[in-house]
Amino acid sequence: GQQVMQIPQYQHVQEGEDFTTYCNSSTTLSNIQWYKQRPGGHPVFLIQLVKSGEVKKQKRLTFQFGEAKKNSSLHITATQTTDVGTYFCAGPRNTGKLIFGQGTTLQVKP
Amino acid sequence: NAGVTQTPKFRILKIGQSMTLQCTQDMNHNYMYWYRQDPGMGLKLIYYSVGAGITDKGEVPNGYNVSRSTTEDFPLRLELAAPSQTSVYFCASRDGLAKNIQYFGAGTRLSVL
Repeated sequence: GQQVMQIPQYQHVQEGEDFTTYCNSSTTLSNIQWYKQRPGGHPVFLIQLVKSGEVKKQKRLTFQFGEAKKNSSLHITATQTTDVGTYFCAGPRNTGKLIFGQGTTLQVKP
Repeated sequence: NAGVTQTPKFRILKIGQSMTLQCTQDMNHNYMYWYRQDPGMGLKLIYYSVGAGITDKGEVPNGYNVSRSTTEDFPLRLELAAPSQTSVYFCASRDGLAKNIQYFGAGTRLSVL
């Protein structure tokens, strides 16, 4: 069945370092979404990418959708302690469902 | 602006007990979902609904039941709780239009002992 894989599972960085998480789908996606979950919190929508090769930026966060629409990445420049949390990618399934990756948990050492 | 509201926030159950996790949304969304999240894991879909009166199974439906009598409410019922159901449960909704954004509730943290 359709799978969405994320790597790495965990990442520890020093504050100010960059961070990247990668998302790979077993099938071509019509779009991909990214969510952030703070420790003890709930997932919150960050962004949706739709077009092949699309790149979107939100301040220090850069999101990219692969040319083949089977992979995506989230890059954070100069991490801050407020970036701590788990980042999930999610691709659409039929009937309005999403399939979520396992998430990448980011820890930032001040 | 309440969004998606889940109750209770925390609950401890004994093995074999039953309970209902409540979820209500005030955004008039047609689609609603129940997920469980085990420690360090992603979100697994339990059940979903595309509108009042319509529900369907997700990836991990065993041991759970749902109903959708109104657009606003989507309760999740646990019958005969088992330790394997210890998890954090999230309810989510979306409006069914072009943007497939899901809005999550704050979650219910359930322990079965």
